[in-house]
Amino acid sequence: DIQMTQSPSSLSASVGDRVTITCRASQSIASYLNWYRQKPGKAPELLIHTASSLQSGVPSRFTGSGSGTDFTLTISSLQPEDFATYFCQHSYSLPGTFGPGTKVEIK
Amino acid sequence: QVHLVQSGADVKKPGASVKVSCKASGYTFAGYYIHWVRQAPGQGLEWMGWINPNTGDPNYSQKFQGRVTMTSDTSTSTAYMELGRLGFDDTAIFYCARDSGIYGYGTFDYWGQGTLITVSS
Repeated sequence: DIQMTQSPSSLSASVGDRVTITCRASQSIASYLNWYRQKPGKAPELLIHTASSLQSGVPSRFTGSGSGTDFTLTISSLQPEDFATYFCQHSYSLPGTFGPGTKVEIK
Repeated sequence: QVHLVQSGADVKKPGASVKVSCKASGYTFAGYYIHWVRQAPGQGLEWMGWINPNTGDPNYSQKFQGRVTMTSDTSTSTAYMELGRLGFDDTAIFYCARDSGIYGYGTFDYWGQGTLITVSS
């Protein structure tokens, strides 16, 4: 199985800050990388698919980049609803494993 | 508008089985795979498997093979996940999620609200 890692595991930031989260795959997954946001007590929601494509309805402050094994999610200006946990997930093969998550907390 | 509505929370004893339902609306149910994802309390997300509602064919994670059964009913647009031989470490929220169908093996564009299954003696 392909293993996914994320860094940092948590971070503290303020509203309006620029935030970057990284995700690494244990082998090349081309651009088959998705990002999800999970607010407390809620189901995850798809933000970015295929590494850099914004899912319909998702605000443009979210951008994704990368290919191969290294990927990045950037939130350009953190909003109150963005204090949540972010997961990357590959869809290159089965099983589509998730990263362990990055918790974004209020500073 | 796509919706996935799951059955309610449940408490089971060790060794028992649980069956969770996921009713879809707002799209052609048979046209999209449904996946099941588990999340233990305060933990990450774990893929359990998928069901192809068009054919009824499932595909299970090796971790759950032999213990999980995924089915679907196109007449009611409902997917089901049954997990047997429950242990305390099966206490988790179980999510169903729709596969977008076009971005590789499992890009989940819509999720159910989750079903908390507690295993307790």
